[in-house]
Amino acid sequence: EVQLVESGGGLVQPGGSLRLSCAASGFSFSNYWMHWVRQVPGKGLEWVSRINPDGSRTKYADSVMGRFTISRDIAKNTLYLQMNSLGDEDTAVYYCARYALDKRTGLYYYYMDVWGKGTTVAVSS
Amino acid sequence: DTQMTQSPSSLSASVGDRVTITCRASQSISSYLNWYQQKPGKAPKILIYAASTLQSGVPSRFSGSGSGTDFTLTISSLQPEDFATYYCQQSYSAPTFGQGTRLEI
Repeated sequence: EVQLVESGGGLVQPGGSLRLSCAASGFSFSNYWMHWVRQVPGKGLEWVSRINPDGSRTKYADSVMGRFTISRDIAKNTLYLQMNSLGDEDTAVYYCARYALDKRTGLYYYYMDVWGKGTTVAVSS
Repeated sequence: DTQMTQSPSSLSASVGDRVTITCRASQSISSYLNWYQQKPGKAPKILIYAASTLQSGVPSRFSGSGSGTDFTLTISSLQPEDFATYYCQQSYSAPTFGQGTRLEI
């Protein structure tokens, strides 16, 4: 079964750090771009970060640039999100998602086809 | 960054209704547009990608159309399990999501 399972969320004080993990199973993890997406309770989805299949290219939302680092361990089939200098605005459910690809005559259509159940991060003193 | 704007933000409808949700991109994104459904306490689920391609296993009452900057998601005959929040997302560049459309009875 294709599956993503997040872990590492919890309560952290402002200015603190946390590392989220996303364990992948049931597919060739090393073949896919992967993303982190977050959602403040009761609010919409916010894309956070992405990483390419071999881990050499990353990109971040402006809201987390310089504070968060995405990485992956191919041998462990695990995606990570290191979060530093956390603030109240980072309180959210964090999802990891797989970016599937549909290739059509030179066009590349990507979409998030597999999601984890999410892990909750609460930043509070 | 490409901004995505959905309308309406919320929508009241009944079982059997035909419903349309729109999504507008701040610049042309060709057909790089995806639609997701999210139910309370659950992760989003892909419905449609590439603007109009139905994901495997998704009922045919869902359809998508559009290209460039204007897109629509249509549910031809609402079923009880369709009451949820719907998001568009562009994959032309770093992903961005619309603010969501809450579909309620």
